[in-house]
Amino acid sequence: KQEVTQIPAALSVPEGENLVLNCSFTDSAIYNLQWFRQDPGKGLTSLLLIQSSQREQTSGRLNASLDKSSGRSTLYIAASQPGDSATYLCAVRGGSNYKLTFGKGTLLTVNP
Amino acid sequence: EAQVTQNPRYLITVTGKKLTVTCSQNMNHEYMSWYRQDPGLGLRQIYYSMNVEVTDKGDVPEGYKVSRKEKRNFPLILESPSPNQTSLYFCASSSPAGLADTQYFGPGTRLTVL
Repeated sequence: KQEVTQIPAALSVPEGENLVLNCSFTDSAIYNLQWFRQDPGKGLTSLLLIQSSQREQTSGRLNASLDKSSGRSTLYIAASQPGDSATYLCAVRGGSNYKLTFGKGTLLTVNP
Repeated sequence: EAQVTQNPRYLITVTGKKLTVTCSQNMNHEYMSWYRQDPGLGLRQIYYSMNVEVTDKGDVPEGYKVSRKEKRNFPLILESPSPNQTSLYFCASSSPAGLADTQYFGPGTRLTVL
C-alpha cells in the first residue's frame, strides 16, 4: 500500500527566504507526482505535475524535483512571499486503479 | 472557465436523513473521484470513476454510494448519514493522459451530521 510522508508538518520562515518542502513515498511504481496548494477552508490548486520519467518541473518561483528510485520529491520555493502561506500537499498517482495518494501536507507560514 | 462545481457548499443535517452532494465538471474529463478531508488524517479517497458507468471503491467507501450516468456528473450519496461522516468533501476530475492528468478540485462541501 502506497504511503506518502511530508516533512516538516509545519514551517515558518521570514519573507524572502528560499525554502524546501519534502515528500517521500514508499512504492516507486508511480505514474506521476503532483504538488498542490490548499488555502484555509478552500479547495486544492495544482501547482506542478511531474511525470515518472521526468526529473523536475518549474513554474515561476516553484521548482519540483522527483527521484523515483529513492521515493523522494522536493518542492523548492524561491524568494518566499506572505502570499505563499498555505498548506502544500504532495500526491502520487499509481497502482492498478490509477489511485492518487496524498501526504498530510506541510503548513507554510511566510512572515512579513 | 474550466472548473469543478459542488453543491451544496455547506450542509448541516441529522442522522439518517438521506442526502446527495452533486459534482459537475465542464472539461470532458474521464476520471472523477471523491475525497474526504479530516484533521490529522489528510485526504482519503471514497470512490472513483474511470469513465461513464465505471465506478469503484476507494479507501473509505463505507456509508457512501456514487453513480456515473453522464461523463460530467458524479454525485455522492449518503443513504443514512451518521456523525462520523461529518467532514470536508472534495470532488476532483482529470484526464489521465500524461501532463493532462492535472487534478482539478471542486471548492469543497462542509458536511455536519448531528
